[in-house]
Amino acid sequence: GAVVSQHPSWVICKSGTSVKIECRSLDFQATTMFWYRQFPKQSLMLMATSNEGSKATYEQGVEKDKFLINHASLTLSTLTVTSAHPEDSSFYICSARTLTQGDTGELFFGEGSRLTVL
Amino acid sequence: GQNIDQPTEMTATEGAIVQINCTYQTSGFNGLFWYQQHAGEAPTFLSYNVLDGLEEKGRFSSFLSRSKGYSYLLLKELQMKDSASYLCAFLDSNYQLIWGAGTKLIIKP
Repeated sequence: GAVVSQHPSWVICKSGTSVKIECRSLDFQATTMFWYRQFPKQSLMLMATSNEGSKATYEQGVEKDKFLINHASLTLSTLTVTSAHPEDSSFYICSARTLTQGDTGELFFGEGSRLTVL
Repeated sequence: GQNIDQPTEMTATEGAIVQINCTYQTSGFNGLFWYQQHAGEAPTFLSYNVLDGLEEKGRFSSFLSRSKGYSYLLLKELQMKDSASYLCAFLDSNYQLIWGAGTKLIIKP
């Protein structure tokens, strides 16, 4: 199957700093990438959807100025958590999809990034 | 509105068979996924159903009935490594994935 690489896997930062998480599709072109967040013992929550070359669409309740998403190419999307605070500590996961004729729309997930804000 | 429901937790015995059910309601539907997620890891794809019927893939099978808004994941010959959360999710009319909360499957020797 297709491979999505997410980096870094773990990150610890001080409150008030910014953290960037990268999501790369290694062997396919991802027309759409999704960013999810998962708090302990809860399900994945969609944060935003990004299409290559356009602005991301954020879900209700997600601050677009705090969670900056850039999808500059068909193989790379980045999520920047700006001025991180302890309540932002979570597991962030990206997924990618390419919609071609006959494609099932299967999502391919990155490995996830665990963010801890001190 | 949209909603999706699956049991919170199930327990089964190694070597046995277990069926995890998922029910959903939506006006627009583009298929249903089953994912497996081990603690602390990203979900991994198990199956995708868009037509009614049973899809078999090794020890895992998935069934869909669109008219009933119902799906199940069937796991055979259970192994200890199958202990995980199993997430069902459907694609709505905007191709957004709507996730269930997941079913934690506990396998006992």
